[in-house]
Amino acid sequence: QKEVEQNSGPLSVPEGAIASLNCTYSDRGSQSFFWYRQYSGKSPELIMFIYSNGDKEDGRFTAQLNKASQYVSLLIRDSQPSDSATYLCAVNMNSGNTPLVFGKGTRLSVIA
Amino acid sequence: GAGVSQSPSNKVTEKGKDVELRCDPISGHTALYWYRQSLGQGLEFLIYFQGNSAPDKSGLPSDRFSAERTGGSVSTLTIQRTQQEDSAVYLCASSLSSNSPLHFGNGTRLTVT
Repeated sequence: QKEVEQNSGPLSVPEGAIASLNCTYSDRGSQSFFWYRQYSGKSPELIMFIYSNGDKEDGRFTAQLNKASQYVSLLIRDSQPSDSATYLCAVNMNSGNTPLVFGKGTRLSVIA
Repeated sequence: GAGVSQSPSNKVTEKGKDVELRCDPISGHTALYWYRQSLGQGLEFLIYFQGNSAPDKSGLPSDRFSAERTGGSVSTLTIQRTQQEDSAVYLCASSLSSNSPLHFGNGTRLTVT
């Protein structure tokens, strides 16, 4: 069973703090990892992707991947109220018919 | 450039009628997914097309649902004899390859009355 697990939240952080969103996955052979942001009533939009172990930074966002622990996280520095959304983790498990599996998402609320 | 285009953006239909939802993926994208999302819920996988391979239909909730992708481009999701529980947002997404990021369309909001 291919699974991607996320804490549903809500995760509440004060404005300016670091928000940490976590995701675990079941398939050790997974090769690519994606974070999407979904505002209420909108479609998911890609914010980060990572393929290799370690950190990848893009502006206020950092994706962290640890394949040995089957764990990927997203850090949002200097959180803003506009970051309030649901964050979806997606993992390309590259096995079976359908490679891409989404988690159910974590709802983030940034309090001004 | 053009993104993933879905039509119609909204569809209201009576219970028992058939509906067709259309998805135009980004040109050159070989992978295409359909998802369903009910209010406040996560993405529910429906069907996956990759190039000329047989589609993965394992997510279709019943035999009232079907989808096709013509010429490796445009896809149509058909729901026959719609039920009220079919009411949801139907999202289409495409990617350059099976290992690339997905790009989502704006979705079709289906309401079955």
